[in-house]
Amino acid sequence: AQTVTQSQPEMSVQEAETVTLSCTYDTSENNYYLFWYKQPPSRQMILVIRQEAYKQQNATENRFSVNFQKAAKSFSLKISDSQLGDTAMYFCAFMKHSVRSQGNLIFGKGTKLSVKP
Amino acid sequence: DSGVTQTPKHLITATGQRVTLRCSPRSGDLSVYWYQQSLDQGLQFLIQYYNGEERAKGNILERFSAQQFPDLHSELNLSSLELGDSALYFCASSMGGGTRGTDTQYFGPGTRLTVL
Repeated sequence: AQTVTQSQPEMSVQEAETVTLSCTYDTSENNYYLFWYKQPPSRQMILVIRQEAYKQQNATENRFSVNFQKAAKSFSLKISDSQLGDTAMYFCAFMKHSVRSQGNLIFGKGTKLSVKP
Repeated sequence: DSGVTQTPKHLITATGQRVTLRCSPRSGDLSVYWYQQSLDQGLQFLIQYYNGEERAKGNILERFSAQQFPDLHSELNLSSLELGDSALYFCASSMGGGTRGTDTQYFGPGTRLTVL
C-alpha cells in the first residue's frame, strides 16, 4: 500500500521570502503521479502543481516548483516570493498510473502554512 | 473555479437520517471521485465512477452508496447517519481514459455535512 508523509504540521514564512514544504512517500509502483494541493480557509481544494514520475525534470508553475527525488521518494514544494494569499493548508498526494482510469489520490496529513506580513 | 459543482454547500441533519449529495463534473470529464475530509481521518477516498461504471472503491461504509448517471453527474447517498459522519465531502473529476495527463483531478467546493 502507498503512504504519503508530511512531517511538518505547521510552518510560517515572511512575505516575499521562500519556503519549502517536505513530502515523502512509499510505493513499489514505477508509474505514478505526485501532486500538491492547496486548501485555503475557504476549504476549496486547489491544484498547485503536478509531477509525473517518469519525467526527471522538476515541474514548475510560476512561483511554485518541486524538487522530485525518485530514488529517495521525496517530493518537496518550494514557494518563492511568498504572498499573503499563499496562507493555506498544503497537501501532498500520490496517485498510481492506471490504464483503466482507476486513480484515487492518497493524501498526506497536510502542512499548515502561514505567510506573515 | 474548477468547473466542478457540488450541491448543497451545507447540510444539517439528525442521526439516523438519509441525505444525498450531488456533483456535476467539469465539461468533458468522465471520471468522478468522492472524498471525505474529517478532522480525525484526514482526506480519504471513498469511491470512483468512470462513464457510469464503478471503477474503484476505497474506505466507503456500507451505509454509503453512489452512482453516476448517463449525463455524468454523480450522487453520493449517506444513510443511517451517525455523529461521526459529520465531515466535508468533496467530489473531484478528471478526463479519465488511462492515458498520461488525463487523470489530474479537479475538486469541487465540497458539501459540509453536520449530523446532530
